[in-house]
Amino acid sequence: DAGVIQSPRHEVTEMGQEVTLRCKPISGHDYLFWYRQTMMRGLELLIYFNNNVPIDDSGMPEDRFSAKMPNASFSTLKIQPSEPRDSAVYFCASSFGRARGNTIYFGEGSWLTVV
Amino acid sequence: SQQGEEDPQALSIQEGENATMNCSYKTSINNLQWYRQNSGRGLVHLILIRSNEREKHSGRLRVTLDTSKKSSSLLITASRAADTASYFCATDEPRTYKYIFGTGTRLKVLA
Repeated sequence: DAGVIQSPRHEVTEMGQEVTLRCKPISGHDYLFWYRQTMMRGLELLIYFNNNVPIDDSGMPEDRFSAKMPNASFSTLKIQPSEPRDSAVYFCASSFGRARGNTIYFGEGSWLTVV
Repeated sequence: SQQGEEDPQALSIQEGENATMNCSYKTSINNLQWYRQNSGRGLVHLILIRSNEREKHSGRLRVTLDTSKKSSSLLITASRAADTASYFCATDEPRTYKYIFGTGTRLKVLA
């Protein structure tokens, strides 16, 4: 399996622009997670899905952030409008869930810089 | 917040020495996992220990869990320069599949 695939790997955008991050989870996984990593705040869970349904979005920082999972093989995290404080590495991860082990598999991350 | 706290924040040792890092968490858990992150990369799963287990081994890794103290430790024996990375613990909130990661320990192994 190719693992969790994220795109773009790097993005530099201007403040106020819309940013869309994309993720393809590992085939067959039931759970999909979006995390954000910064030096100041560490690794934060933004939202997670189970069988394409958002289960907990309490970590989404504000209304500028939205996430969707239209099918089992694709998810997006959108920031509109973007702000410099959104600069971070955004990780997508997926997992089978407890019934088949708990290992969470991470993508390589999308490095976002908002200037 | 459930977030775990690792200590030390940073650790520098010589190759061949053992490295121990600790994780503390706040509420009850189903299991605890340890992950490794190389610079600029995603996190990679190392080992999982369930709440009813006290110790687990995998190769050069040894994990302990003390649920009464809400703490875990990760021991890497005979460290190598290639073990240089950040190490994170992750815990799940009861009745959810919400995994929260700790603040991480940055390990540097000097050759």
